[in-house]
Amino acid sequence: SQTIHQWPATLVQPVGSPLSLECTVEGTSNPNLYWYRQAAGRGLQLLFYSVGIGQISSEVPQNLSASRPQDRQFILSSKKLLLSDSGFYLCACRTSEETQYFGPGTRLLVL
Amino acid sequence: AQSVTQLDSQVPVFEEAPVELRCNYSSSVSVYLFWYVQYPNQGLQLLLKYLSGSTLVKGINGFEAEFNKSQTSFHLRKPSVHISDTAEYFCAVTIIQGAQKLVFGQGTRLTINP
Repeated sequence: SQTIHQWPATLVQPVGSPLSLECTVEGTSNPNLYWYRQAAGRGLQLLFYSVGIGQISSEVPQNLSASRPQDRQFILSSKKLLLSDSGFYLCACRTSEETQYFGPGTRLLVL
Repeated sequence: AQSVTQLDSQVPVFEEAPVELRCNYSSSVSVYLFWYVQYPNQGLQLLLKYLSGSTLVKGINGFEAEFNKSQTSFHLRKPSVHISDTAEYFCAVTIIQGAQKLVFGQGTRLTINP
Protein backbone atom coordinates (compact mmCIF):
# COMPACT_ATOMS: atom_id res chain seq x y z
CA SER A 1 0.00 0.00 0.00
CA GLN A 2 1.06 3.59 -0.52
CA THR A 3 2.62 5.88 2.06
CA ILE A 4 2.34 9.64 1.80
CA HIS A 5 4.92 11.95 3.35
CA GLN A 6 4.48 15.67 3.83
CA TRP A 7 7.18 18.11 4.81
CA PRO A 8 7.34 20.19 6.92
CA ALA A 9 4.77 19.23 9.55
CA THR A 10 4.42 22.78 10.86
CA LEU A 11 5.48 26.12 9.41
CA VAL A 12 5.25 29.71 10.63
CA GLN A 13 5.97 32.29 7.95
CA PRO A 14 5.72 36.08 7.74
CA VAL A 15 3.38 37.74 5.26
CA GLY A 16 5.10 38.27 1.92
CA SER A 17 7.57 35.39 2.30
CA PRO A 18 7.78 32.48 -0.17
CA LEU A 19 6.40 29.02 0.48
CA SER A 20 7.29 25.49 -0.57
CA LEU A 21 5.45 22.46 0.77
CA GLU A 22 6.46 19.01 -0.37
CA CYS A 23 4.50 15.81 -0.75
CA THR A 24 6.11 12.50 -1.70
CA VAL A 25 4.48 9.15 -2.23
CA GLU A 26 5.90 5.65 -1.79
CA GLY A 27 4.55 2.27 -2.77
CA THR A 28 2.76 3.18 -5.98
CA SER A 29 3.45 4.54 -9.44
CA ASN A 30 1.63 6.98 -11.69
CA PRO A 31 -0.82 8.10 -9.01
CA ASN A 32 -3.23 11.02 -9.21
CA LEU A 33 -2.09 13.59 -6.66
CA TYR A 34 -4.12 16.29 -4.94
CA TRP A 35 -3.59 19.32 -2.69
CA TYR A 36 -6.41 20.27 -0.29
CA ARG A 37 -6.61 23.12 2.21
CA GLN A 38 -8.54 23.02 5.44
CA ALA A 39 -9.10 26.46 6.93
CA ALA A 40 -9.83 26.74 10.65
CA GLY A 41 -13.33 25.49 11.45
CA ARG A 42 -14.13 24.70 7.84
CA GLY A 43 -14.20 21.75 5.49
CA LEU A 44 -11.64 20.76 2.92
CA GLN A 45 -11.23 22.56 -0.37
CA LEU A 46 -9.45 21.09 -3.38
CA LEU A 47 -6.70 23.41 -4.59
CA PHE A 48 -4.83 21.47 -7.28
CA TYR A 49 -4.68 18.03 -8.78
CA SER A 50 -2.29 16.26 -11.11
CA VAL A 51 -2.75 13.18 -13.28
CA GLY A 52 0.91 12.99 -14.33
CA ILE A 53 4.34 14.63 -14.38
CA GLY A 54 4.07 18.30 -15.34
CA GLN A 55 0.27 18.15 -15.52
CA ILE A 56 -1.41 20.51 -13.05
CA SER A 57 -5.05 21.56 -12.81
CA SER A 58 -6.07 24.44 -10.58
CA GLU A 59 -9.45 24.42 -8.93
CA VAL A 60 -9.61 27.90 -7.43
CA PRO A 61 -7.91 31.20 -8.32
CA GLN A 62 -5.47 32.04 -5.57
CA ASN A 63 -2.04 33.01 -4.45
CA LEU A 64 -0.66 29.49 -4.72
CA SER A 65 0.79 27.28 -7.45
CA ALA A 66 1.66 23.60 -7.73
CA SER A 67 4.21 21.55 -9.60
CA ARG A 68 4.91 17.87 -10.17
CA PRO A 69 8.55 17.46 -11.15
CA GLN A 70 8.59 13.70 -10.58
CA ASP A 71 5.97 10.94 -10.69
CA ARG A 72 5.69 10.70 -6.90
CA GLN A 73 6.46 14.29 -5.89
CA PHE A 74 3.95 17.11 -5.64
CA ILE A 75 4.96 20.61 -4.52
CA LEU A 76 2.80 23.51 -3.38
CA SER A 77 4.35 26.96 -3.67
CA SER A 78 3.78 30.65 -3.27
CA LYS A 79 5.95 33.64 -4.14
CA LYS A 80 4.38 35.89 -1.48
CA LEU A 81 2.22 34.55 1.32
CA LEU A 82 -0.98 36.25 2.47
CA LEU A 83 -2.62 36.01 5.88
CA SER A 84 -5.47 34.13 4.24
CA ASP A 85 -3.07 31.35 3.19
CA SER A 86 -2.98 30.08 6.77
CA GLY A 87 -4.48 26.62 7.17
CA PHE A 88 -3.89 22.90 7.21
CA TYR A 89 -2.62 21.60 3.86
CA LEU A 90 -3.26 17.99 2.97
CA CYS A 91 -1.79 15.99 0.12
CA ALA A 92 -3.73 13.02 -1.20
CA CYS A 93 -2.98 10.17 -3.55
CA ARG A 94 -5.35 8.09 -5.64
CA THR A 95 -4.30 4.81 -7.14
CA SER A 96 -6.39 2.19 -8.91
CA GLU A 97 -8.68 1.63 -5.93
CA GLU A 98 -10.89 4.62 -6.69
CA THR A 99 -9.98 5.94 -3.25
CA GLN A 100 -7.92 8.90 -2.09
CA TYR A 101 -5.51 8.41 0.78
CA PHE A 102 -4.23 11.39 2.71
CA GLY A 103 -0.88 12.40 4.14
CA PRO A 104 -0.35 13.70 7.68
CA GLY A 105 -0.69 17.35 6.63
CA THR A 106 1.27 20.58 7.03
CA ARG A 107 -0.01 23.27 9.35
CA LEU A 108 0.84 26.73 8.00
CA LEU A 109 0.51 29.89 10.04
CA VAL A 110 1.11 33.18 8.26
CA LEU A 111 1.77 36.12 10.57
CA ALA B 1 -21.60 20.06 -9.81
CA GLN B 2 -21.73 17.94 -6.69
CA SER B 3 -22.40 19.10 -3.16
CA VAL B 4 -22.43 17.46 0.26
CA THR B 5 -24.39 18.51 3.32
CA GLN B 6 -23.60 17.22 6.76
CA LEU B 7 -26.64 18.14 8.74
CA ASP B 8 -25.04 18.31 12.18
CA SER B 9 -21.93 20.35 12.88
CA GLN B 10 -21.61 18.86 16.38
CA VAL B 11 -22.93 15.64 17.91
CA PRO B 12 -22.45 14.96 21.65
CA VAL B 13 -23.05 11.35 22.71
CA PHE B 14 -22.53 9.36 25.88
CA GLU B 15 -20.08 6.48 25.81
CA GLU B 16 -21.57 3.14 24.71
CA ALA B 17 -24.60 4.89 23.16
CA PRO B 18 -25.41 4.51 19.44
CA VAL B 19 -24.69 7.35 17.03
CA GLU B 20 -25.73 8.40 13.54
CA LEU B 21 -23.95 11.11 11.57
CA ARG B 22 -26.02 12.34 8.68
CA CYS B 23 -24.83 13.06 5.15
CA ASN B 24 -26.83 14.08 2.10
CA TYR B 25 -25.40 14.72 -1.33
CA SER B 26 -26.47 16.27 -4.60
CA SER B 27 -25.30 15.11 -8.01
CA SER B 28 -26.75 14.72 -11.49
CA VAL B 29 -24.43 11.79 -12.24
CA SER B 30 -23.40 8.62 -10.44
CA VAL B 31 -21.00 9.07 -7.56
CA TYR B 32 -18.73 7.25 -5.19
CA LEU B 33 -19.24 8.04 -1.50
CA PHE B 34 -16.75 8.13 1.36
CA TRP B 35 -16.50 8.78 5.08
CA TYR B 36 -13.21 9.98 6.53
CA VAL B 37 -12.22 10.58 10.16
CA GLN B 38 -9.78 13.23 11.34
CA TYR B 39 -8.22 13.09 14.78
CA PRO B 40 -6.74 16.35 16.17
CA ASN B 41 -3.78 17.65 14.19
CA GLN B 42 -3.73 14.64 11.89
CA GLY B 43 -4.59 13.88 8.30
CA LEU B 44 -7.74 12.13 7.14
CA GLN B 45 -8.19 8.40 7.57
CA LEU B 46 -10.62 6.45 5.41
CA LEU B 47 -13.44 4.90 7.44
CA LEU B 48 -15.43 3.32 4.63
CA LYS B 49 -16.55 3.78 1.05
CA TYR B 50 -19.37 2.94 -1.29
CA LEU B 51 -18.42 2.22 -4.90
CA SER B 52 -21.11 -0.25 -5.99
CA GLY B 53 -22.95 -3.37 -4.88
CA SER B 54 -24.48 -3.79 -1.43
CA THR B 55 -25.83 -0.52 -0.10
CA LEU B 56 -24.72 -1.35 3.45
CA VAL B 57 -20.98 -0.96 3.80
CA LYS B 58 -18.88 -1.77 6.82
CA GLY B 59 -15.72 0.06 7.71
CA ILE B 60 -13.04 0.21 10.34
CA ASN B 61 -13.58 0.75 14.07
CA GLY B 62 -17.09 -0.75 13.99
CA PHE B 63 -18.62 1.92 11.75
CA GLU B 64 -21.06 1.25 8.94
CA ALA B 65 -22.98 3.36 6.46
CA GLU B 66 -25.97 2.85 4.21
CA PHE B 67 -26.25 4.29 0.72
CA ASN B 68 -29.80 5.38 -0.09
CA LYS B 69 -30.04 6.50 -3.70
CA SER B 70 -33.67 7.67 -3.54
CA GLN B 71 -32.92 9.89 -0.55
CA THR B 72 -29.40 10.77 -1.76
CA SER B 73 -28.05 9.96 1.67
CA PHE B 74 -25.07 8.13 3.11
CA HIS B 75 -25.49 8.21 6.88
CA LEU B 76 -22.77 6.84 9.16
CA ARG B 77 -23.67 4.71 12.17
CA LYS B 78 -22.07 2.95 15.08
CA PRO B 79 -24.07 0.89 17.60
CA SER B 80 -21.85 1.68 20.60
CA VAL B 81 -19.27 4.47 20.70
CA HIS B 82 -16.08 4.75 22.70
CA ILE B 83 -14.16 7.72 24.02
CA SER B 84 -11.58 7.07 21.29
CA ASP B 85 -14.21 7.85 18.62
CA THR B 86 -14.03 11.54 19.51
CA ALA B 87 -12.96 13.18 16.25
CA GLU B 88 -14.14 15.14 13.20
CA TYR B 89 -15.97 13.12 10.57
CA PHE B 90 -16.18 14.11 6.91
CA CYS B 91 -18.50 12.82 4.23
CA ALA B 92 -17.25 13.16 0.64
CA VAL B 93 -18.38 12.38 -2.89
CA THR B 94 -16.70 12.11 -6.25
CA ILE B 95 -18.08 11.48 -9.69
CA ILE B 96 -17.12 8.17 -11.20
CA GLN B 97 -15.47 9.55 -14.33
CA GLY B 98 -12.45 11.79 -14.73
CA ALA B 99 -9.93 12.89 -12.13
CA GLN B 100 -12.24 12.02 -9.25
CA LYS B 101 -11.99 15.22 -7.30
CA LEU B 102 -13.45 14.85 -3.82
CA VAL B 103 -16.14 17.24 -2.64
CA PHE B 104 -16.38 17.33 1.13
CA GLY B 105 -19.08 18.23 3.60
CA GLN B 106 -18.30 20.73 6.33
CA GLY B 107 -17.66 17.99 8.87
CA THR B 108 -19.34 16.76 12.04
CA ARG B 109 -17.53 16.96 15.34
CA LEU B 110 -18.37 13.87 17.39
CA THR B 111 -17.77 14.26 21.11
CA ILE B 112 -18.08 11.23 23.37
CA ASN B 113 -18.85 11.96 27.00
CA PRO B 114 -18.12 9.44 29.77
